[in-house]
Amino acid sequence: NAGVTQTPKFQVLKTGQSMTLQCAQDMNHNSMYWYRQDPGMGLRLIYYSASEGTTDKGEVPNGYNVSRLNKREFSLRLESAAPSQTSVYFCASSWGAVGNQPQHFGDGTRLSIL
Amino acid sequence: GESVGLHLPTLSVQEGDNSIINCAYSNSASDYFIWYKQESGKGPQFIIDIRSNMDKRQGQRVTVLLNKTVKHLSLQIAATQPGDSAVYFCADRGGSRDDKIIFGKGTRLHILP
Repeated sequence: NAGVTQTPKFQVLKTGQSMTLQCAQDMNHNSMYWYRQDPGMGLRLIYYSASEGTTDKGEVPNGYNVSRLNKREFSLRLESAAPSQTSVYFCASSWGAVGNQPQHFGDGTRLSIL
Repeated sequence: GESVGLHLPTLSVQEGDNSIINCAYSNSASDYFIWYKQESGKGPQFIIDIRSNMDKRQGQRVTVLLNKTVKHLSLQIAATQPGDSAVYFCADRGGSRDDKIIFGKGTRLHILP
């Protein structure tokens, strides 16, 4: 049972390049989330998806797009990467409605934008 | 939701002692609280949660206490072990089933030998 799997684990991009971060969960969870974690800032919600086919903005959505491809997969896309998007990105999932149960996290994608 | 904060950024505890990590929240409507542990290079891991209709909840070596009067949450870890070294986050939900969970900035727990 892998839980939440994120790929890639590390990535370096140049400013202006595009990139898709992949996330898949095998726990049959309804809700999925993307967070970014910066030093001293805790985790901030970028986007979330309450169910297949639905997505909503979180606290810091600017510069990102998401796709809930099916119940298992939720991808995060940077269309034109900027240095301010250098961060560690975490995908998470939870059973049931958004925010009503604890989340299970992947181990993150460490992204550097030069 | 409103911000969730922590009293101390770093806590050093002797191995074998009990650890208490504190958290203050500002939204009086918050109804669901979670503690996560994050080890270096890993994602946050769920430890324990509590809903606002409870004051205390116990797990294996951990206890969460909720004081709604002063909007304070604490995580107690009994007989702290080296494996407890990590950053601990509290998080809360603002009081609606549709509200997202907001994370605090974290407290680093350092275990002294």
